[in-house]
This record gives sequence, structure tokens and C-alpha cells, in this order.
Amino acid sequence: EAQVTQNPRYLITVTGKKLTVTCSQNMNHEYMSWYRQDPGLGLRQIYYSMNVEVTDKGDVPEGYKVSRKEKRNFPLILESPSPNQTSLYFCASSFIGRTGANVLTFGAGSRLTVL
Amino acid sequence: AQTVTQSQPEMSVQEAETVTLSCTYDTSESDYYLFWYKQPPSRQMILVIRQEAYKQQNATENRFSVNFQKAAKSFSLKISDSQLGDAAMYFCASPSPLRDDKIIFGKGTRLHILP
Repeated sequence: EAQVTQNPRYLITVTGKKLTVTCSQNMNHEYMSWYRQDPGLGLRQIYYSMNVEVTDKGDVPEGYKVSRKEKRNFPLILESPSPNQTSLYFCASSFIGRTGANVLTFGAGSRLTVL
Repeated sequence: AQTVTQSQPEMSVQEAETVTLSCTYDTSESDYYLFWYKQPPSRQMILVIRQEAYKQQNATENRFSVNFQKAAKSFSLKISDSQLGDAAMYFCASPSPLRDDKIIFGKGTRLHILP
């Protein structure tokens, strides 16, 4: 089944404790992206990647890191989480067509709470 | 900064009636795709419909159709014969005006279906 898998689905952590949210896709998509969803703000892009070793900042990259060492994986790293990073996180992937990223396949979401 | 605008944070429609959700975007490209995604209470992001900008014909998927006005950069979603299962958050998505190869989202419209 074509899918994007992200883990953990739920996490409660404390300020400053490094964490990684993993994301893996099995569709050989070039494009991968992380979004955070907050009430009233919609989905805001954190980072995205057009291919292996190619990453770029989205609209809200502060406090996050990513890497794209393999095509299928795109982990999101919070080096020192803070309460303002409490949010619902989505990983998504897409093939790249003539106009860029296309239909996104989303993971199920990761609910992160930072105390 | 987000430049996909959904001006209706919430809307309600009577079951079996028709409702239109509005969206405006900003891009300098001539060839691009636009998307509507649905997020039901399960939080899963689901593609509703996709429009190719160079196509004159508005996209249609069963009860869902779009009114695409390229010059006005407007991309509204019409839901006909509304059903209880249509109750969800709806997000409009377009290429970013800063980097047209990535996808950004509006803040969403929460749609309530009244029985």
C-alpha cells in the first residue's frame, strides 16, 4: 500500500529534551515536506526537500532541523523543544512534475506536546 | 508569509444543499496546479480535487467541483448535495509565490453540515 508513515503518532516531552519524528514513504517520491498545524493558522510549512541531500526552509523553520540522506526518509529533529512547538505535525510526499510538487500524500499526523 | 487566503473560517450548510468555499492565491506562474484537501475529525488529509491552471475547464469530482478564475487568482470549491460525511476542515493549496515548486496551504474553512 502506498503510504507515508510517521512516528510517533503521539508524544509528550519536556522542554529541552531532543526528539526526532520519523517520516518514511514507499512511493519513490522526490518531494517531501513537513507541516505543522495549529488552530486558526492552517498548515504551515517547516522544511521541504526536492531530493536526496536537497533541503530548504519553509515558512516556519526556526527550532527545527531536517535531513534527507535517503530518498524514502525525511526525519524532523527538534534539538531543544519548547512549548511553542506543541502542535500537530504532518509529513507529506509527492512526485515532482513539470510544475514542481504535485498531489501530496500525507502521513497520519504526529501530535506533539512540549511541557 | 502565507498567501493562500480562505476568507471563511467557518461555514454551515443544510444537508442536501449546495455550499461554496472560497480561496484566493498568489503566483506569478502560468502553469501550475491548485488543490483542495479535506480533513475530517480523524485528522487525515485527503485530496478532494485538483485543477490544472492551463486548462480552461473547471475540474469536477462527483459532487465536488471548482470555479477557477485564473485572472482573479480565485479557486472556489462547490459541494453539491451536501452530506453529513462532508463535515470537515477544508484546505486550499497552491504553489508558493516565492518558490513555485513547493506547496503552501490556506488557514482552512471548517464546514458544518446541518441535518
